[in-house]
Amino acid sequence: ILNVEQSPQSLHVQEGDSTNFTCSFPSSNFYALHWYRWETAKSPEALFVMTLNGDEKKKGRISATLNTKEGYSYLYIKGSQPEDSATYLCAFPANRDDKIIFGKGTRLHILP
Amino acid sequence: DSGVTQTPKHLITATGQRVTLRCSPRSGDLSVYWYQQSLDQGLQFLIQYYNGEERAKGNILERFSAQQFPDLHSELNLSSLELGDSALYFCASSRGGGQSYNEQFFGPGTRLTVL
Repeated sequence: ILNVEQSPQSLHVQEGDSTNFTCSFPSSNFYALHWYRWETAKSPEALFVMTLNGDEKKKGRISATLNTKEGYSYLYIKGSQPEDSATYLCAFPANRDDKIIFGKGTRLHILP
Repeated sequence: DSGVTQTPKHLITATGQRVTLRCSPRSGDLSVYWYQQSLDQGLQFLIQYYNGEERAKGNILERFSAQQFPDLHSELNLSSLELGDSALYFCASSRGGGQSYNEQFFGPGTRLTVL
């Protein structure tokens, strides 16, 4: 059974501080790794689709890196703002066109 | 607003009943995905349709079925409902059929409560 692990489960960060969290996935048969942001009372929103080892993607203050050989991806948030409070999910396609497996997420709380 | 619509927003029904959840994908998207999110569970992939055909199957129970119509909207049918089926059901859509490379756009979800 393929597992996608995210850590930590929950994180409290002071406004203005930077933070990062991890998604671990099986390193064999890698196709892609997705990151989503899920705000309370809304639906998940795609952040990045990462496909190449060493990939680094950026969207504003949020960036992500990918290491397919060791099976992890980091999501970084620089200068956290209240609007960054959300659950961040990573998702891993089990096969090229087969079911996608979501991690349980990292719940980020930004403290004013 | 992702452009994906789902109806109804909320549904309350009794055990043993049957319900239908509806999803309209973003304009131009050919794939529709269904997910279930129960308490303390992550998003569980149920099934994917691409251009009217079943493309991938996840942890979908035999009591559940889905289809995608020629206009690309999709319906998820849940029958013989049990208390444990209470969950938030999301539909998502993407341009292409491959789950690997296509980002998914999620609808607002349907909250199903089985009493």
